[in-house]
Amino acid sequence: DAGVIQSPRHEVTEMGQEVTLRCKPISGHDYLFWYRQTMMRGLELLIYFNNNVPIDDSGMPEDRFSAKMPNASFSTLKIQPSEPRDSAVYFCASRPLGGEQYFGPGTRLTVT
Amino acid sequence: ELKVEQNPLFLSMQEGKNYTIYCNYSTTSDRLYWYRQDPGKSLESLFVLLSNGAVKQEGRLMASLDTKARLSTLHITAAVHDLSATYFCAVDSYTGTASKLTFGTGTRLQVTL
Repeated sequence: DAGVIQSPRHEVTEMGQEVTLRCKPISGHDYLFWYRQTMMRGLELLIYFNNNVPIDDSGMPEDRFSAKMPNASFSTLKIQPSEPRDSAVYFCASRPLGGEQYFGPGTRLTVT
Repeated sequence: ELKVEQNPLFLSMQEGKNYTIYCNYSTTSDRLYWYRQDPGKSLESLFVLLSNGAVKQEGRLMASLDTKARLSTLHITAAVHDLSATYFCAVDSYTGTASKLTFGTGTRLQVTL
């Protein structure tokens, strides 16, 4: 398996623009997680899905953030409108129930 | 709510020295994971500890789990520069309908010559 795949790897956008981050989990993994990592706040769990259903979105910072998982092999995290404080590295991760969690390479987002 | 604390947050070590990173957590769990993150990179799984008393070793790193004390340790033996990275522990919480990892704040390890 190719592991967790994220795209794009880098994104630079202007404040107010819509940003969409994409993730393909490892095949057969029941759980998909979205994290955000910054120097100031460390690694934060934003939302996670079980079998494509959102389980806990309490970490989503604001209504500007939304996430979907239309099928078992694809998820998106959307920020609309984006703000400079959203600049961070966003990681997607997947795992089977009770199993090891694997992280994608991350998307480095810069909002100017 | 599960809380996971790591200490120290930052560790500067000389090559050849030994040291231990501690991971304490607040509620019952028997599954704990250690990850490594190099600067600008993603998190890479190091160890999976699945029961009380579990011990895993890989090279100069050894991880152990004491579920009764709610404590895991990552011991570094004779540190080398290649071990410089940030190390995270993560504790599994299973609620019957969902399972997620709660991560510690990370320990940034810097090994100097």
